[in-house]
Amino acid sequence: DAGVIQSPRHEVTEMGQEVTLRCKPISGHDYLFWYRQTMMRGLELLIYFNNNVPIDDSGMPEDRFSAKMPNASFSTLKIQPSEPRDSAVYFCASTPQGSLGTGELFFGEGSRLTVL
Amino acid sequence: KQEVTQIPAALSVPEGENLVLNCSFTDSAIYNLQWFRQDPGKGLTSLLLIQSSQREQTSGRLNASLDKSSGRSTLYIAASQPGDSATYLCAVLMTTDSWGKLQFGAGTQVVVTP
Repeated sequence: DAGVIQSPRHEVTEMGQEVTLRCKPISGHDYLFWYRQTMMRGLELLIYFNNNVPIDDSGMPEDRFSAKMPNASFSTLKIQPSEPRDSAVYFCASTPQGSLGTGELFFGEGSRLTVL
Repeated sequence: KQEVTQIPAALSVPEGENLVLNCSFTDSAIYNLQWFRQDPGKGLTSLLLIQSSQREQTSGRLNASLDKSSGRSTLYIAASQPGDSATYLCAVLMTTDSWGKLQFGAGTQVVVTP
């Protein structure tokens, strides 16, 4: 299994630009999560999907952030316009649904975003 | 509100010593507790997962214990090696939260010196 695949691994952009981060979950996993990691706040859940449907987006910091999951194998996290305080590592994770899994989360390698 | 704490924040040991990493949580209504390893610039790798009904889990040199009543979990790494140097995070899944919505501790940064 290829694991959770994220792209790009690194992104450097200027304030005000649009940023799109991509994630391919593990095949067969029904849940997909977007986390953000910073030195100050640690790991925070931004949003998660179940069967491509957004379930809880209460962690999305502002309207500048949006996420979509058009199909079971692809999700995007978009920031528009980006700001320097959005600089962080963004992780995608997936897990099978409750009746089929133990709740173990599988993480991608992350996308390191730097907004200048 | 659940709070997950990991102490110490950093730890340095000589090679061969056993590592003991602590994780505490304030609300015992957990579904499971998961230990992760994170190498610099990398993602999180799941090490061990303990269900709330279990007391411990073992994998090779790793052993994780869980005491729900006292709100504690301990990760033991036997005979540490320089390759064990990394940040170790614990995370809990609450029974009251949606599936997979983990709450993380801040991590313990471990350095094993040759």
